Amino acid sequence: EVQLVESGGGLIQPGGSLRLSCAASGFTVSSNYMSWVRQAPGKGLEWVSLIYGDGTTSYTDSVKGRFTISRDSSKNTLYLQMNSLRAEDTAVYYCARGTGYGYWSFDYWGQGTLLTVSS
Amino acid sequence: QSALTQPASVSGSPGQSITISCTGTSSDVGGYNYVSWYQQHPGKAPKLIIYDVSNRPSGVSNRFSGSKSGNTASLTISGLQAEDEADYYCSSYRSISTLVFGTGTKVTVL
Repeated sequence: EVQLVESGGGLIQPGGSLRLSCAASGFTVSSNYMSWVRQAPGKGLEWVSLIYGDGTTSYTDSVKGRFTISRDSSKNTLYLQMNSLRAEDTAVYYCARGTGYGYWSFDYWGQGTLLTVSS
Repeated sequence: QSALTQPASVSGSPGQSITISCTGTSSDVGGYNYVSWYQQHPGKAPKLIIYDVSNRPSGVSNRFSGSKSGNTASLTISGLQAEDEADYYCSSYRSISTLVFGTGTKVTVL
């Protein structure tokens, strides 16, 4: 059974750093493209970042240079390193698995982890 | 990066059909057949219901269908049921390896 479990969220001050983790089971993270998607409280979905199977990465403009997506094949885990955090980064962060049949579509999602950036 | 435009809300009675639009540009919806639709119930993670404009993943009801014309994609829910009450989001691949979501539509079953 495919499962994604995010962790690492919490309360952090503006300018701080945090790393989110997404532990996968039931499939191999490095064999799929994977993404982070966030949702600010009461707002819509916003794509954040994606990593292809070959390791190529992509980011939305607002996080370029601040966030880094990566994965650890030995732990079958996806990460999002977030630096220089801002209040507008406050959101529930979901990790999602890319489908093997569609393009840039995601068939399994984690339950999300809440990041709050506030002083 | 501006979001795709969806109506804020759509409503219908049980058994009726409703359509949600998703308007973008030639750099996203109009330029690629890579539009997906997601259903999200309150407090839950999104669920993929349509991929590549009009394809349904295994297990998704055939009451959900997708289409595209020019820069606008559409999701139709036929035979509306109480369980369809949720938020719906479109997404599209956008040129140079990015993804954009729609603004979201709240579906209410009257």
